[in-house]
Amino acid sequence: EDKVVQSPLSLVVHEGDTVTLNCSYEVTNFRSLLWYKQEKKAPTFLFMLTSSGIEKKSGRLSSILDKKELFSILNITATQTGDSAVYLCAVEAFRSGAGSYQLTFGKGTKLSVIP
Amino acid sequence: EAQVTQNPRYLITVTGKKLTVTCSQNMNHEYMSWYRQDPGLGLRQIYYSMNVEVTDKGDVPEGYKVSRKEKRNFPLILESPSPNQTSLYFCASSFLTSGGQIEQFFGPGTRLTVL
Repeated sequence: EDKVVQSPLSLVVHEGDTVTLNCSYEVTNFRSLLWYKQEKKAPTFLFMLTSSGIEKKSGRLSSILDKKELFSILNITATQTGDSAVYLCAVEAFRSGAGSYQLTFGKGTKLSVIP
Repeated sequence: EAQVTQNPRYLITVTGKKLTVTCSQNMNHEYMSWYRQDPGLGLRQIYYSMNVEVTDKGDVPEGYKVSRKEKRNFPLILESPSPNQTSLYFCASSFLTSGGQIEQFFGPGTRLTVL
């Protein structure tokens, strides 16, 4: 069974801090790892990672994948209150029973940024 | 504007009263799926559809039905809702990037309460 584990489950930081969110996975037939940000609505797509060691960046957010150690991190520098959200990690893998690629989500990390 | 729409956004119903949550996308995506999100359990896939008239079970299909008669619509049907189906439901629409990976767009969510 495919598994995606995020840590920590919850995190409270002050504005300006840097945070690192973790996502580890155990899947067969891995294809990609995706990060989403979920505020009080639907998740919005942040990054898709397919190759080890290549950092993806978008403003103050960056992410990297380690396919050997089976994890990814999402970094947020100079955090702002608007970064408060649940961050979801999902892994895309081929499920032979279904005959297709599927996404398995972690439970998310709830980030609270206080002024 | 590219979007995934769901209706209704909020619904309170009683045990056993059949209901349908509609989902529609205007991006001509072939792949659509339904998730439920519960505290502590993350996002779990209920059903997915790879194309018109092609549907398959996800991780938690019990108590749900779907249909895909047209590409743009993917309704979720609860024939006899029960209180354990009280949840936040998301419809998602996906496409394959030129690199062969999934990018997924979520609807706004439907909060369902079954009394």
